[in-house]
Amino acid sequence: EVQLVESGGGLVQPGGSLRLSCAASGFTFSSYVMSWVRQGPGKGLEWVSSISDSGGNTYYADSVRGRFTISRDNSKNTLHLQMNSLRAEDTAKYYCAKWRWGSGYSWGQGTLVTVSS
Amino acid sequence: DIQMTQSPSSLSASVGDRVTITCRASQDITDDLGWYQQKPGKAPKRLIYAASSLQSGVPSRFSGSGSGTEFTLTITSLQPEDFATYYCLQHNDYPQTFGQGTKVEIK
Repeated sequence: EVQLVESGGGLVQPGGSLRLSCAASGFTFSSYVMSWVRQGPGKGLEWVSSISDSGGNTYYADSVRGRFTISRDNSKNTLHLQMNSLRAEDTAKYYCAKWRWGSGYSWGQGTLVTVSS
Repeated sequence: DIQMTQSPSSLSASVGDRVTITCRASQDITDDLGWYQQKPGKAPKRLIYAASSLQSGVPSRFSGSGSGTEFTLTITSLQPEDFATYYCLQHNDYPQTFGQGTKVEIK
């Protein structure tokens, strides 16, 4: 069974940094594209970033490019999202998601990030 | 970037009703589209992949259709557990983009 457990969320001041992690189990982590998707309070889903199975290719939404960095450690079955220069509009629940072609996303339960002074 | 326009943004329906939700893509995405259901406080759940293929374990009252730029999610005979928000997602190209969501409420 696929399990994705996010951690690292919390309250941070505008301009601050936070690093999210996602511990994966129940599947061969190194074989799958992984993504972060967020949802602001009362808002819809927003794709944030994806990383290829090897980590060699990364993709970002325009809203976070240059501020966020996605990475993975296939030896530890862990996905990360380094978030710098955080803004109020980054306040959201951040979901870790496993992408499978022909099947779509499997989701973690999310971790909450609040950017506020 | 590919824009996804989902409609309606909300609808009220009764148990047993047939419900149709539409997503339009700003360019041809072939069948690179999925549908997700989300209930309050919960993570999204996969319903449909490749525009029309039903995820294992999803009731057959859910169906998807379309290709190119026009896609539809249909729920025949709406059940109490189907009241939720539904999103389409295109994965034809990065950035992946979601529709704005459709909240299905009880009439």
